[in-house]
Amino acid sequence: DQQVKQNSPSLSVQEGRISILNCDYTNSMFDYFLWYKKYPAEGPTFLISISSIKDKNEDGRFTVFLNKSAKHLSLHIVPSQPGDSAVYFCAASGAGTASKLTFGTGTRLQVTL
Amino acid sequence: KAGVTQTPRYLIKTRGQQVTLSCSPISGHRSVSWYQQTPGQGLQFLFEYFSETQRNKGNFPGRFSGRQFSNSRSEMNVSTLELGDSALYLCASSLFAGSSYEQYFGPGTRLTVT
Repeated sequence: DQQVKQNSPSLSVQEGRISILNCDYTNSMFDYFLWYKKYPAEGPTFLISISSIKDKNEDGRFTVFLNKSAKHLSLHIVPSQPGDSAVYFCAASGAGTASKLTFGTGTRLQVTL
Repeated sequence: KAGVTQTPRYLIKTRGQQVTLSCSPISGHRSVSWYQQTPGQGLQFLFEYFSETQRNKGNFPGRFSGRQFSNSRSEMNVSTLELGDSALYLCASSLFAGSSYEQYFGPGTRLTVT
C-alpha cells in the first residue's frame, strides 16, 4: 500500500508565483518528513525537513507545513524560479527506522516564464 | 567535500546473471542506504548498513543483498536477475543511523536487464 501519496503528478506555475506541492501519509508512526528535488539523471537532492513536533519549517524560499491531524504536509516555494523545475518527492520515516525513508511518487513541477 | 559516488553508472545484464553495484559515501558518513527506483513503484527502500551491519531491510526478495566495508563503502548484489529488476539503484549516505539525519543521494546506477 502507498503510505505516502502525492496525488498531483504534475504542476505548472509561473515564475515569481508560489508553488504549493502536497503530500498525504497514512502511517501515524511517521515522525519525520523530508522533501527532495530530483533532476533527470541525478539522485534526489535534499531540500528541507520537518519533525512531527513542529508544524512549520522555513529555509529561504522553501517552507514546509505539517498538519498532523490531517496527515498532510505541503511544500511552498516562493517565489518560484525556472531552476526549480524538477520532480519533487516527499518522504517520511518513523522512530527507530529513521534511515528507512518511504517516498511518495513525486510531483513534476514546471516553472514557466 | 565529495558527494556520494556510485559505480558503474550504467549496466546492461542478461536474465539469470548476477550484478554487483558499488557506493562510496560522503567522507565521514557511516550509514549507507540503498533504494530502487522504477516507474511503477517509485523509490523503494532496499536496506541500510551502519558500521558494517545491516540495520534495516525493505520488502525485497533474498536475491537482493548487500554489505558494508570498514571504510563505510557499500556494495549491493542482485543474483538471478529478472526483467523486473531493471531500475535506477540509488545509494544514500548519512552521518548516523537511528535518528532523523538527512540522507544524501548519489547519482544512481541504471541497470537494464534483457
